[in-house]
Amino acid sequence: GDSVTQMEGPVTLSEEAFLTINCTYTATGYPSLFWYVQYPGEGLQLLLKATKADDKGSNKGFEATYRKETTSFHLEKGSVQVSDSAVYFCALRGRGNNRLAFGKGNQVVVIP
Amino acid sequence: GAVVSQHPSRVICKSGTSVKIECRSLDFQATTMFWYRQFPKQSLMLMATSNEGSKATYEQGVEKDKFLINHASLTLSTLTVTSAHPEDSSFYICSADLVVGGNEQFFGPGTRLTVL
Repeated sequence: GDSVTQMEGPVTLSEEAFLTINCTYTATGYPSLFWYVQYPGEGLQLLLKATKADDKGSNKGFEATYRKETTSFHLEKGSVQVSDSAVYFCALRGRGNNRLAFGKGNQVVVIP
Repeated sequence: GAVVSQHPSRVICKSGTSVKIECRSLDFQATTMFWYRQFPKQSLMLMATSNEGSKATYEQGVEKDKFLINHASLTLSTLTVTSAHPEDSSFYICSADLVVGGNEQFFGPGTRLTVL
């Protein structure tokens, strides 16, 4: 079945550092790919998405490119801020399927 | 963008009572809504898929008699936790399907349930 794998463990980094969170997926066909962000005590917010190979999703300085050859959708931001501290979830949605498959999430802590 | 609300945001109840959580799509119609459960520092676990006007589809291991779902209109789905016990304490999140324009789900802010 469809599945998403995120890199293990929390990510702690200093303000203005470069952030990368790895995400790989397993799915049949061409799924849509998403990154969601969850701030403490809140629900999930869509951060960005890509619906086909080589698409780049971007929002608020975050980017991720849909790489079919490596089945990846890594999240990047060039200069993080303290306000970026949150949990980030990678997710996919298969074609003809209305269910989302989530990765385990990564806690990101940005230190001033 | 599409907005999904949940009510209440927090609820504390005694063991053995029932609690109803509402999920509303505020500016769009949602034929399908989803209910998730999230334990501390963990990912979302899909509990059930709620379709307007029909019975919900529950994931394996989720008790349908304990977690009653009703999707009576295109903008409202409710989750009722019946005879709640402390192990039901969790963060419950709903989402609504927006197929037109992007094939994505929009999430509510979540409901924190604490059963004493």
